[in-house]
Amino acid sequence: EVQLFESGGGVVQPGGSLRLSCAASGVAFHSYAMNWVRQAPGKGLAWVSHISGSGGVTYYADSVKGRFTISRDNSKNIMYLQMNSLRVEDTAVYFCAKSPTVIGAFDVWGQGARVTVSS
Amino acid sequence: EIVLTQSPNFQSVSPKERVTITCRASQSVGNSLHWYQQRPGQSPKLLIKSASQSMSGVPSRFSGSGSGTVFTLTISSLEAEDAAAYFCHQSSALPLTFGGGTKVEIK
Repeated sequence: EVQLFESGGGVVQPGGSLRLSCAASGVAFHSYAMNWVRQAPGKGLAWVSHISGSGGVTYYADSVKGRFTISRDNSKNIMYLQMNSLRVEDTAVYFCAKSPTVIGAFDVWGQGARVTVSS
Repeated sequence: EIVLTQSPNFQSVSPKERVTITCRASQSVGNSLHWYQQRPGQSPKLLIKSASQSMSGVPSRFSGSGSGTVFTLTISSLEAEDAAAYFCHQSSALPLTFGGGTKVEIK
């Protein structure tokens, strides 16, 4: 059974950068797509980004396009989210979630990493 | 962008009662509609995928139905452990989107 563990959250000033990691346990990490989903305090869920199993295809929400970069290292079973030019409105818990493809459900979720953007 | 509108936003229900949550899409998503449960302080959990396919280990009191633009999540007999927020999610088109959520409280 696949398990996901996020790390790298913290407090950063507006305009700053942060890199989140999502480590996967289990086999065949390369065989499934991965996503980042965030949840602002007291709010609902919002999809942030998607990466294919090979890492060759990526998609982003308009709100983060040009500022965030998703990547993965299949040799280490880790996915990343590099977040630059952070804004106060990026404050949220960031979840990584597995899906079979971009058109599939998110069938495994991590516990979340809290990101706070504040001066 | 496909907008998902959930109703109601909040529901207070007695144990053993039936709960029905609706998710309406601004355009057809076929059956690419999924339901999640998020208990307080926890990460979301997939309950139903592809409109009506229950995930392994999910109690049989949870069921999903619908296609196109109108979908329903039903809890046939509410139990105390079902107190949570419920979200629908469409994976038919980018950007992927979620409904605003329905909070279910045990009366």
